[in-house]
Amino acid sequence: NAGVTQTPKFRVLKTGQSMTLLCAQDMNHEYMYWYRQDPGMGLRLIHYSVGEGTTAKGEVPDGYNVSRLKKQNFLLGLESAAPSQTSVYFCASRRSGGGTEAFFGQGTRLTVV
Amino acid sequence: DQQVKQNSPSLSVQEGRISILNCDYTNSMFDYFLWYKKYPAEGPTFLISISSIKDKNEDGRFTVFLNKSAKHLSLHIVPSQPGDSAVYFCAAISNFGNEKLTFGTGTRLTIIP
Repeated sequence: NAGVTQTPKFRVLKTGQSMTLLCAQDMNHEYMYWYRQDPGMGLRLIHYSVGEGTTAKGEVPDGYNVSRLKKQNFLLGLESAAPSQTSVYFCASRRSGGGTEAFFGQGTRLTVV
Repeated sequence: DQQVKQNSPSLSVQEGRISILNCDYTNSMFDYFLWYKKYPAEGPTFLISISSIKDKNEDGRFTVFLNKSAKHLSLHIVPSQPGDSAVYFCAAISNFGNEKLTFGTGTRLTIIP
């Protein structure tokens, strides 16, 4: 049981390049989330999804787009990367109902130069 | 607008003593609160949660206390062990609305042998 898998684990981008981060979960969870972690800032929510075909903005959505075409996958896109997007990105998923815990992937370390 | 706050960036505790991590929140609509633990280069892992209708939840060495009137919760670890050294995040969920999972900025706990 893989849980939540993020691809890639590391990436270096040049300013202006685009890329897509993939999050895949095999737990049949309804909800999926993308966070970024920066020193002193904790985990900040970028976008999230409460079901296949639905997405919503979090606290820091600017510069990112997402898609949830399949229930098990949640993609995070950077159309034109900026140095301010250098961060560690985490994906999480959880099932619906009450205070169910979220399961996290191992993170993607992205550097934009 | 930081809805979940952890005002202590770091905490050092002697092995065997009690560790107390604090968290404050501003949104009275939160239904559940969760604590996560994070080691370097890994994703956060769930520790313990509490419903907004309870004031205490205990799981082994970990106890979470909720004071709704003060909008404050705390995590107690007794006794503290070296393996408890990590960053601890407080998180909150509002089920009726948007299912956002909002995190605090984290507290780095160091257990001194």
